[in-house]
Amino acid sequence: QQPVQSPQAVILREGEDAVINCSSSKALYSVHWYRQKHGEAPVFLMILLKGGEQKGHEKISASFNEKKQQSSLYLTASQLSYSGTYFCGTETVDRDDKIIFGKGTRLHILP
Amino acid sequence: EAGVAQSPRYKIIEKRQSVAFWCNPISGHATLYWYQQILGQGPKLLIQFQNNGVVDDSQLPKDRFSAERLKGVDSTLKIQPAKLEDSAVYLCASSRPDTSNTEAFFGQGTRLTVV
Repeated sequence: QQPVQSPQAVILREGEDAVINCSSSKALYSVHWYRQKHGEAPVFLMILLKGGEQKGHEKISASFNEKKQQSSLYLTASQLSYSGTYFCGTETVDRDDKIIFGKGTRLHILP
Repeated sequence: EAGVAQSPRYKIIEKRQSVAFWCNPISGHATLYWYQQILGQGPKLLIQFQNNGVVDDSQLPKDRFSAERLKGVDSTLKIQPAKLEDSAVYLCASSRPDTSNTEAFFGQGTRLTVV
């Protein structure tokens, strides 16, 4: 089942913060976050595993609330290069290695 | 290491014609995925291979789409006959699943336009 992302789109000024949410109706084993720029392939940002964890990647971090089947991606002090569409991909506890992606959140950073 | 290779990058065909896409995954990656990404949407899983066996093809329109992964390495995805709604980017991804994670690496994709 496809995870639900919110918001659908965000417009920020450079230096502002953003939060992108991803939720699932199924018990999750992992949540994957990808960023895709226009005309390019999705690029892996990070993976969060069952057990509830938080990870960081430069000024981009994420959390995974296993009980709520939710993950949030945090972008702090956003840079122009952060513009793109962010997708969360989820893998259920079945561990079938199947990654199902949400519809994406479009992020546009203004100078 | 070399990334996931896909070809062609672009393809324009008329409806009812056939088309084939090729993917060479990262060496050693047992799992290979084909995704369809329609403009403005997230990637939709079409088929997943583990080595040369199909793990999941529940979303593959089998009346017109077919895929194979002979020898458990590279893969081809075919559409025959194509419809207008098949216009999309077809992404191939591969992963090396272990006990902890299944990070998928994507190729550049093939942009298909059906006219």
